[in-house]
Amino acid sequence: NAGVTQTPKFQVLKTGQSMTLQCAQDMNHEYMSWYRQDPGMGLRLIHYSVGAGITDQGEVPNGYNVSRSTTEDFPLRLLSAAPSQTSVYFCASSGWGGSGLTTDTQYFGPGTRLTVL
Amino acid sequence: GNSVTQMEGPVTLSEEAFLTINCTYTATGYPSLFWYVQYPGEGLQLLLKATKADDKGSNKGFEATYRKETTSFHLEKGSVQVSDSAVYFCALSPNSGGSNYKLTFGKGTLLTVNP
Repeated sequence: NAGVTQTPKFQVLKTGQSMTLQCAQDMNHEYMSWYRQDPGMGLRLIHYSVGAGITDQGEVPNGYNVSRSTTEDFPLRLLSAAPSQTSVYFCASSGWGGSGLTTDTQYFGPGTRLTVL
Repeated sequence: GNSVTQMEGPVTLSEEAFLTINCTYTATGYPSLFWYVQYPGEGLQLLLKATKADDKGSNKGFEATYRKETTSFHLEKGSVQVSDSAVYFCALSPNSGGSNYKLTFGKGTLLTVNP
């Protein structure tokens, strides 16, 4: 099991550029989430998904889009990058997993460090 | 809404010292409570959790007890090691209405343990 994988690990964008952060999990988890981590702010939920084809907004959704066409993948799109989106982005998943796991135990990817100039 | 407040860092200790990181929460109902740890350059990983009042979560020598009367979930370890240096996050899950996956995190506490 690779767990939760994220690409790229680092990215530098110019203001106004667009890009997609990739996230994939191989645990057959129903739930996937995107968080951003900023100094002194902890983790804040951007978007989440409860299954393929179903997504919803979290605490800080503006400027980001998501889709979930498969159980495994949950990409995060920045439509027009702004300096305020400079952050570390974490993808997480959770699910029943068939092995006593519960949906509230989240598994995190290693993160993508994004800088917007 | 739900919120988590944890003690501000950074916390610097010598090896074998006693550790306490305070965490209090505000939530309706009966949330589940968690401590996650983030080692340098890595994502978060679950350290321990407790799902009901008076439960004690424990792992790797760390402990935390779910105190509903004081709405607290303080993290403790009797003797820290250099390898415990990391950022520690307290978090809660609403544990109701099928939304267990929506965690609310505290701001994190950086712990540095010196040899």
